[in-house]
Amino acid sequence: DQQVKQNSPSLSVQEGRISILNCDYTNSMFDYFLWYKKYPAEGPTFLISISSIKDKNEDGRFTVFLNKSAKHLSLHIVPSQPGDSAVYFCAASARGRDDKIIFGKGTRLHILP
Amino acid sequence: DTAVSQTPKYLVTQMGNDKSIKCEQNLGHDTMYWYKQDSKKFLKIMFSYNNKELIINETVPNRFSPKSPDKAHLNLHINSLELGDSAVYFCASSQAETLGYNEQFFGPGTRLTVL
Repeated sequence: DQQVKQNSPSLSVQEGRISILNCDYTNSMFDYFLWYKKYPAEGPTFLISISSIKDKNEDGRFTVFLNKSAKHLSLHIVPSQPGDSAVYFCAASARGRDDKIIFGKGTRLHILP
Repeated sequence: DTAVSQTPKYLVTQMGNDKSIKCEQNLGHDTMYWYKQDSKKFLKIMFSYNNKELIINETVPNRFSPKSPDKAHLNLHINSLELGDSAVYFCASSQAETLGYNEQFFGPGTRLTVL
C-alpha cells in the first residue's frame, strides 16, 4: 500500500521553463513533507520541506505547495536548469518518535536544452 | 570530507554467503538509518538507531542485523544472502528528537548483487 504516490515516472521540461512535480499521499496523519533530489550513483540529497501548518515554502528557484484537503503537494522549479535533471523523491512523515519518512517512487526529470 | 560514507560501493557475492556493509557519518548526528531501494525503485526504511538504540525495525528478515558500535557508525550484516536481497542499500543520518522532522543525509549507496 503506497502511502506516498508519485504517479509520473518521468517528466521532460525545456530549459528555462517551469518544472512541476506532483505527489499525492493517503495518510492524513502526515504532517511534514520533504523533497529529495538524486543523481545517478549518489544518495538522495535534501532539497526542501514543508510543515502541514503552511501551504507554501520557497527556497530560491524551488517552491513546494501543499494542499492538505486534496492530500497533494507539488514542487515547482523555475527556471529549470540542466543541473536539475535528476530523480526527485517526495517523502512524508507523521509526528512521533518512532515515525519514519515514507518515500514515493520518484519522478525522473529531464531538462531539455 | 564525505559526510556519510559507505563501504563497499559495489558488492557482488554468491547466494548463501554472509556479507557486511559499513556506514560512518562525521556530522555528529545521533540517528542513523538503513534504507533499501529495490528494483521497483522504492526507497524503504529498514532500521534506525538513535544513540546506539534501535528505534525502527521494519519487517525485514532476521538474516539482516544492524550493529551500531557507536553513534557515528551503523553497519549492516546480512546472513545467508538470497537473490531477492539484490538492491541498493543506503545509509543515512540525521539529528532530531522527533525523527521525521529533520532532513536526513544519505550516503552514496551500496549496490549489492547476489548471484
